[in-house]
Amino acid sequence: GAVVSQHPSRVICKSGTSVKIECRSLDFQATTMFWYRQFPKQSLMLMATSNEGSKATYEQGVEKDKFLINHASLTLSTLTVTSAHPEDSSFYICSARAGRRNEKLFFGSGTQLSVL
Amino acid sequence: ELKVEQNPLFLSMQEGKNYTIYCNYSTTSDRLYWYRQDPGKSLESLFVLLSNGAVKQEGRLMASLDTKARLSTLHITAAVHDLSATYFCAVDMWGTGNQFYFGTGTSLTVIP
Repeated sequence: GAVVSQHPSRVICKSGTSVKIECRSLDFQATTMFWYRQFPKQSLMLMATSNEGSKATYEQGVEKDKFLINHASLTLSTLTVTSAHPEDSSFYICSARAGRRNEKLFFGSGTQLSVL
Repeated sequence: ELKVEQNPLFLSMQEGKNYTIYCNYSTTSDRLYWYRQDPGKSLESLFVLLSNGAVKQEGRLMASLDTKARLSTLHITAAVHDLSATYFCAVDMWGTGNQFYFGTGTSLTVIP
């Protein structure tokens, strides 16, 4: 099946710093990528949808200036958590789809962010 | 506001037994997905259900969709320990493939 690579898998940073998470589709072109966050023992919450070459669409309540999403190519989307705070600590997961709406979503391996 | 609720949230069952996980959702949608998540890991796609009455089976798992009742089920047959994981359903809200909303999750533990 299709592979979505997410990096880093784990990051610990100080409060106030910025962290960039990369999501790459390795063997297909992803016209659309999605970013989720998941708190421990909770479900996934959709943060934003990014389409290659255009601005991301953010879900209600998600600060677009804090969570910067860039989908610069058909194989790469990045999520930058700016001026991170401890409450931003979470598991972030990206997913990607090749293009047709009937296709499965493939998920990255996730990034565990811990902000001290 | 779209709600996607799973029942039960926690399930402990013995090997060899059968059980069903339910996924109820509050909006009209004919696209529903089931995923598995192991601790500390990402999600693995299990089933894609794209129409009313859709039924899919893979090994000991079978998923179905009733769009009129806004209900999907994930049935486990003769459970084995390897099935222990958290299972999520997800609804494609607008049918566009662009907005997935995940259920609350069901944490399954299969006891030998």
